Amino acid sequence: AQSVTQPDIHITVSEGASLELRCNYSYGATPYLFWYVQSPGQGLQLLLKYFSGDTLVQGIKGFEAEFKRSQSSFNLRKPSVHWSDAAEYFCAVGPLGSSNTGKLIFGQGTTLQVKP
Amino acid sequence: DAGVIQSPRHEVTEMGQEVTLRCKPISGHNSLFWYRQTMMRGLELLIYFNNNVPIDDSGMPEDRFSAKMPNASFSTLKIQPSEPRDSAVYFCASSENLGTGRYNEQFFGPGTRLTVL
Repeated sequence: AQSVTQPDIHITVSEGASLELRCNYSYGATPYLFWYVQSPGQGLQLLLKYFSGDTLVQGIKGFEAEFKRSQSSFNLRKPSVHWSDAAEYFCAVGPLGSSNTGKLIFGQGTTLQVKP
Repeated sequence: DAGVIQSPRHEVTEMGQEVTLRCKPISGHNSLFWYRQTMMRGLELLIYFNNNVPIDDSGMPEDRFSAKMPNASFSTLKIQPSEPRDSAVYFCASSENLGTGRYNEQFFGPGTRLTVL
């Protein structure tokens, strides 16, 4: 079955430390890939997206993500975390195929806590 | 652009009452999505529309839920009768549909927090 997996439900990092959030998907072909962030009490905001081309994608707020076809992964990274990055992060994929017309599949989310 | 607009932002109602949630998508977007978010089940897609037509409603929990999109600038999600287990945050999102098998980002509204007592 098609799926998106975020293995880490909860991650805690110290402010200033580096961050990597994992995302794996299971589809036959490379899907469209997205990372969203949800701050408490807010809707989801797009951080970055990958459609094709350079496998290292830059996003807003200093985030980047790398698509690795061999690992079916699209991990999100940030070199130095700020306290304001504390939020929930969602990976999403848009499966290719004629039957799919815009529907995204979301992972279960990873909650990031930042220690001072 | 004002982004996706949802109303009300908070709704508290009693079990058995009808609840109507409203959404105005971003102008020019032709796809609209309704999601529900709970601690237990995470983010769930309930239904989505392309060009005002419902495409997939397999996520709608049961017949108590219904959604309409009478025109390109307005959609409603109705729960009748409401139950305590419907308590959740309901999000509306819109996107520009680029065609079959092609995607663009979804823009989310701020959500409606529904509490059914």
